Amino acid sequence: DAGITQSPRYKITETGRQVTLMCHQTWSHSYMFWYRQDLGHGLRLIYYSAAADITDKGEVPDGYVVSRSKTENFPLTLESATRSQTSVYFCASRKGSREDETQYFGPGTRLLVL
Amino acid sequence: AQSVTQLDSQVPVFEEAPVELRCNYSSSVSVYLFWYVQYPNQGLQLLLKYLSGSTLVESINGFEAEFNKSQTSFHLRKPSVHISDTAEYFCAVIVPSGGYQKVTFGTGTKLQVIP
Repeated sequence: DAGITQSPRYKITETGRQVTLMCHQTWSHSYMFWYRQDLGHGLRLIYYSAAADITDKGEVPDGYVVSRSKTENFPLTLESATRSQTSVYFCASRKGSREDETQYFGPGTRLLVL
Repeated sequence: AQSVTQLDSQVPVFEEAPVELRCNYSSSVSVYLFWYVQYPNQGLQLLLKYLSGSTLVESINGFEAEFNKSQTSFHLRKPSVHISDTAEYFCAVIVPSGGYQKVTFGTGTKLQVIP
């Protein structure tokens, strides 16, 4: 039972480079989410997806791009990384649209932008 | 829009002592409330949630939280903490609407259990 996985777990990159963070879930959950976690801010939603080919912006989407061609994958791309995007990124999934359903989180990707 | 406040960024407590982690929310309508726990280098895990009904909710590892509508609070308590409870705890709120509504997280409280 793999659950929800993220890769890479750690990434160091330079300003201006493109970076893609991968998220994969094995439950066929409809909803998937990307959050960033920063000290003093808790978790903030970047993008979410309700199903394959359906995505929408969250609270802090600028500088990020997502796609969802398959239900199980939800990659997050930083098109031109900036130092302010240094953070810990968490992917999450939820079975359906009900708001009382549990969100399941991946282990996170620590990204450092130099 | 709803918001969540966790006033304590860090809470040190001795092993076997009781602990309370505070959470206050602001919303003019009914909400769902959650507590998540994050162990070092891991993702968040749901600890417990309040949706409706009994205002006291419990987790399987001895934590409990009480929904207090008049004080707009959802404080997390444990009567006797263990070293393994050392983690960061996040309070979260959703305003249910029948459609998608985002989860608003608090800034987290780091619980440090001292042997």
